[in-house]
Amino acid sequence: GAVVSQHPSRVICKSGTSVKIECRSLDFQATTMFWYRQFPKQSLMLMATSNEGSKATYEQGVEKDKFLINHASLTLSTLTVTSAHPEDSSFYICSAHLGAEGGTDTQYFGPGTRLTVL
Amino acid sequence: AQKVTQAQTEISVVEKEDVTLDCVYETRDTTYYLFWYKQPPSGELVFLIRRNSFDEQNEISGRYSWNFQKSTSSFNFTITASQVVDSAVYFCALSERNRDDKIIFGKGTRLHILP
Repeated sequence: GAVVSQHPSRVICKSGTSVKIECRSLDFQATTMFWYRQFPKQSLMLMATSNEGSKATYEQGVEKDKFLINHASLTLSTLTVTSAHPEDSSFYICSAHLGAEGGTDTQYFGPGTRLTVL
Repeated sequence: AQKVTQAQTEISVVEKEDVTLDCVYETRDTTYYLFWYKQPPSGELVFLIRRNSFDEQNEISGRYSWNFQKSTSSFNFTITASQVVDSAVYFCALSERNRDDKIIFGKGTRLHILP
């Protein structure tokens, strides 16, 4: 099946710094990528939809100036957590949408990035 | 409104028992997809199944089976002869064609298989 990678898998940073997380579709082109956040023992919450070449669409309650998303190519989307604070510590997961005619499209999830802000 | 409801927060069963995880969904779309994912302690989501709204046929894959009933808006997941390795959090999820295929997850059911 299709493979999606995330880098880094784990990051620890100081409060106030910015952190960039990369999401790559390794063997297919993804016109749409999605970013999710998962707090401990909670569900995955959709943060934003990232479309190649256009601005991301953010879900209600997600600060677009804090969570910068760039989808520069059909295989790469990046999420930058700006001025990170301890409450941003979470597990961030991306997914890439493999679209196909006939309704056979699906999403493939990356392995996640665990962010800890000290 | 919550789209996907997994009423069972946590379940514990003894190994080799059968266990069913419940999922009830809500949608106004006629075209939608339902999913089940497994999330082991490592955190990586493991895709188990995707079912589209036009296919109500039940599915069996080894020890796993799924019962999709549109009449009750349910998509339940059964593990037969459970094993310790089945211990994980299981998420039911929904995506709607009219909502850009965003996947909305239920809150998950934490399954403990006791040896």
